[in-house]
This record gives sequence, C-alpha cells and structure tokens, in this order.
Amino acid sequence: DVKVTQSSRYLVKRTGEKVFLECVQDMDHENMFWYRQDPGLGLRLIYFSYDVKMKEKGDIPEGYSVSREKKERFSLILESASTNQTSMYLCASSTPLAGGPNTGELFFGEGSRLTVL
Amino acid sequence: AQSVTQLDSQVPVFEEAPVELRCNYSSSVSVYLFWYVQYPNQGLQLLLKYLSGSTLVKGINGFEAEFNKSQTSFHLRKPSVHISDTAEYFCAVSGYLGGKSTFGDGTTLTVKP
Repeated sequence: DVKVTQSSRYLVKRTGEKVFLECVQDMDHENMFWYRQDPGLGLRLIYFSYDVKMKEKGDIPEGYSVSREKKERFSLILESASTNQTSMYLCASSTPLAGGPNTGELFFGEGSRLTVL
Repeated sequence: AQSVTQLDSQVPVFEEAPVELRCNYSSSVSVYLFWYVQYPNQGLQLLLKYLSGSTLVKGINGFEAEFNKSQTSFHLRKPSVHISDTAEYFCAVSGYLGGKSTFGDGTTLTVKP
C-alpha cells in the first residue's frame, strides 16, 4: 500500500514563526501536492510538484513556499506564520497509470493540524 | 477550468436507510471523477473512481456512483448505511491532462441509530 507520512499531526506556533511541514511518500510517485482544508471550503491546492526541484503554484500560494529536493519528500514552508494560516494541511501524492494518463487519483497523508496563536 | 459543486453540505440519515450524496461538476475537457471519504481526524481515502467505461462504478464499503455526462453529475449512493459510515465525503474532478484535482466543499454524512 502507498504510504504518505506527514511528520507532525498537531502543531502550535506563534505568529511570525517559521513553520516547516514535512511529507514523505514511499511509492516512488512523481507528483506531490499540498492542500489546505477549512470547514465549508473543501480542499484548496496550495502548491504542487511534478518532479524533483520543480514546483508550481496552486490556487492559494500566498504566504507559502515549498521545497522538493528529493523525489519522496515535499515540504511546505510558512515563512512567517499568521493566525489566518490556522488550518488542516494535507499532503498527497499521485502517479500516472502504467503507460497511461495521469488520472489525478490522490493518496493522502493523515494531515497536520496547525494552530497559529 | 473545472469546478465541483456538492449540493448538500449536511445529510442526516437513520441507520439502514438509503442515502444519496449529490455532486455536479463542470469542465471544458474530458474528466476523471472521484469520491473520497474522510473519517474524523484522518486524511482522505479513495472511495471510488470513474476513469472510463461503465458509467456505474462500485467502491469500497458498499458505495456506488453513477457518471452522467449529459447532466454532468456523479452522485454517490448506498442502499443501506451503517453508523460507521458517518464521515465527510468529498467529490473531486481532474482533467484529462495535468492530473490536478479540484474538490467540492464536502458533505457531512451523519448516520443516526
């Protein structure tokens, strides 16, 4: 089974702190994603990556950056945390079907619930 | 561009009753469609998917969904729900190219005894 592991399930940070959220997948997937989940808003895409050292902005990239130095690891960085970044953060990975298209089927981690005070 | 509308934010139902969670989508290209389930304090897991072929797809835990291209819908159904089906359900669409998924706002299914 695909396993996506997020390093911290719960974090509490102060406004202005730098925050790192780590995500590791063990199935050699090419694609990795960071979503933010808020009640009533569903999942919103922050950043994604189709390859090592490659990143693209999603729908809500402001206030975030990412790093993908190795294929299996995708980090989300909050340079200066703010209270409106209090949320559940979900990492996911995907891979194209063998010899086929990239369907977008996602494998998710357990989530990291961040509280910024 | 693509979008997903889940028509019900909350669905309360009694145990052993049937349930339907509604999902409409819009997209300018051919799509792949998914339903994910999220149990409390967990990540999302795939319930079922439509990639091609038969428009009626079956998933885990007795759920099924029907892809209706003319109505751009992908409604999720279960003939008899259990208490353990209480969770949040997300409909998602990804375009034929690119592989990015767009999610609906979610439907909270609450099964009461």
